[in-house]
Amino acid sequence: TQLLEQSPQFLSIQEGENLTVYCNSSSVFSSLQWYRQEPGEGPVLLVTVVTGGEVKKLKRLTFQFGDARKDSSLHITAAQPGDTGLYLCAGARGDAGGTSYGKLTFGQGTILTVHP
Amino acid sequence: NAGVMQNPRHLVRRRGQEARLRCSPMKGHSHVYWYRQLPEEGLKFMVYLQKENIIDESGMPKERFSAEFPKEGPSILRIQQVVRGDSAAYFCASSSRVPELNTEAFFGQGTRLTVV
Repeated sequence: TQLLEQSPQFLSIQEGENLTVYCNSSSVFSSLQWYRQEPGEGPVLLVTVVTGGEVKKLKRLTFQFGDARKDSSLHITAAQPGDTGLYLCAGARGDAGGTSYGKLTFGQGTILTVHP
Repeated sequence: NAGVMQNPRHLVRRRGQEARLRCSPMKGHSHVYWYRQLPEEGLKFMVYLQKENIIDESGMPKERFSAEFPKEGPSILRIQQVVRGDSAAYFCASSSRVPELNTEAFFGQGTRLTVV
């Protein structure tokens, strides 16, 4: 069974601070996706990283995929109250017939609270 | 909005009743995935379907749960004789699978099942 360990589980910070969320596994993933989920809603895809060592930026969010494709991180610069939410990492593995990115293994999530 | 549509958003069932959850994938997507999110837990994969085929049901409980994705109409997740432990948020995701390209899963807003 593949596992994704996400840390920290809870993060409470002040507006303007920086933060990093980590996602680690002993398994190799074909790709890794980061989602944000608001209460009562479904996960919304933020980014997909595919290549080992890949770095993607989305405004104040920076996503990195580890060289061995076993781990990933999400860094938020100058956090704002609007960043508050549940952040989920999810890994996908290719199957024998090609690649299938819908079957995902999720981490348990990081609940981020940014105080004004 | 051509996103993944799930209905109902909220469903209340008494113990022993049947629950039917519906999912219409995004336009052009032929792959559907069901996930369950229990309180205080992350999303867990249940089943992966293509039209008229169950591809991977390794996450489905052995009894009372079934899923289908008919040639016409939405995908259905069916839970027979519900018990209180079935109370959870059930999410559907869809993707388009093109082996040469990286595909991503997009989630619906979920169905919150409450068993009383």
